[in-house]
Amino acid sequence: GESVGLHLPTLSVQEGDNSIINCAYSNSASDYFIWYKQESGKGPQFIIDIRSNMDKRQGQRVTVLLNKTVKHLSLQIAATQPGDSAVYFCAETLSFNDKLIFGTGTRLQVFP
Amino acid sequence: DAGVIQSPRHEVTEMGQEVTLRCKPISGHNSLFWYRQTMMRGLELLIYFNNNVPIDDSGMPEDRFSAKMPNASFSTLKIQPSEPRDSAVYFCASSERTYEQYFGPGTRLTVT
Repeated sequence: GESVGLHLPTLSVQEGDNSIINCAYSNSASDYFIWYKQESGKGPQFIIDIRSNMDKRQGQRVTVLLNKTVKHLSLQIAATQPGDSAVYFCAETLSFNDKLIFGTGTRLQVFP
Repeated sequence: DAGVIQSPRHEVTEMGQEVTLRCKPISGHNSLFWYRQTMMRGLELLIYFNNNVPIDDSGMPEDRFSAKMPNASFSTLKIQPSEPRDSAVYFCASSERTYEQYFGPGTRLTVT
């Protein structure tokens, strides 16, 4: 029979536009939330993290927003570049030294 | 630093054969993780070690899988006997702080 794989949601944006990637996390007790980027043929790469006592954190061209009320996490990428094309994963963990639970990922495609 | 090193990068084997994947974590990192990534199930944590001691192996699929970390600079993931459904990309990651993990390039395993 035909195998069914995970259907990765895809976000297509034009170079220079801002991108917003969303994630619904599962455990209201999670204390840390992290975004990873995975380029084709490579392992995931840490981008930015946020702790549950914060609702916003900014990095270089990226901002992570946390809404604990609805268990929602987002990653905003400013002035999206072709090099941002990748699959983005959110992850959550109960504590500083606990294992990560990864989401299914969102594919970001940047076109000129 | 060379980052997390994994070998081999690609492995093709026949069903029933033993497969050993190897990982050298980043020097100074005290946690090591083995993940499996497939289209069907995404990124799954198999097992992780802290200070060379296995902490959580609940993700190891079955007795055919085993992992060891004899010292701080080396870990192996063994599959014996291998089956076609074990075909996947296997990642090793290491960290000082659990949620900021550094992933290796992965080993693409194909079992025919």
